[in-house]
Amino acid sequence: EVQLVQSGAEVKKPGESLKISCKASGYSFATYWIGWVRQMPGQGLESMGFIYPYDSDTRYSPSFQGQVSISADKSITTAYLQWNSLKASDTATYFCVRFKQLEIFPMDVWGQGTTVTVSS
Amino acid sequence: SYELTQPPSVSVSPGRTATITCSGNKLGDKYVSWYQQMPGQSPVVVVYQDSQRPSGIPERFSGSNSGNTATLTITGTQAMDEADYYCQAWDSDIVLFGGGTKLTVL
Repeated sequence: EVQLVQSGAEVKKPGESLKISCKASGYSFATYWIGWVRQMPGQGLESMGFIYPYDSDTRYSPSFQGQVSISADKSITTAYLQWNSLKASDTATYFCVRFKQLEIFPMDVWGQGTTVTVSS
Repeated sequence: SYELTQPPSVSVSPGRTATITCSGNKLGDKYVSWYQQMPGQSPVVVVYQDSQRPSGIPERFSGSNSGNTATLTITGTQAMDEADYYCQAWDSDIVLFGGGTKLTVL
């Protein structure tokens, strides 16, 4: 079974760092793009960026460039989303997603979501 | 920057046809996917490449895309279809989502 299993909920303070994970199984991890999607409370979906684990080609959406870092470790089929200094406005649920090819295929598998709460 | 526009809400009676639109400049030149999100759940793709339906998605879900508008149609809408629906397309290598449409079945 193809699965993306995300790390658990986090509660952090403003200014703290955070790295959340997305463990893939059931398919060839290196040859599918992995993306991250943000959903703020009561709001819609926003793409943050994505990575191709095979060669670590990484693309960021303009709104998130420089705000987060996306990485992947092929050896343990896991992708990561990282913040160096959290803000209250980073409070949201974050989904990892899989897709085969840019502009052609949909996000066909979604993780269960990781809720991040940033509060002093 | 490129934007996708959806109506915030659509209401439909059980058994009737629900139509959810997604508008964008020359959207018909792009592939559009549609995602269904139930409360507290992860989204699920219900239509991709404008009109393709993934395995396991009921036949009552269909899609089209032409000109500046993509459309998700749910024929014979059921109470279980009540959810938020998002269209999605690409602008170069940027993923775009519409703002989402809350479908109410009443």
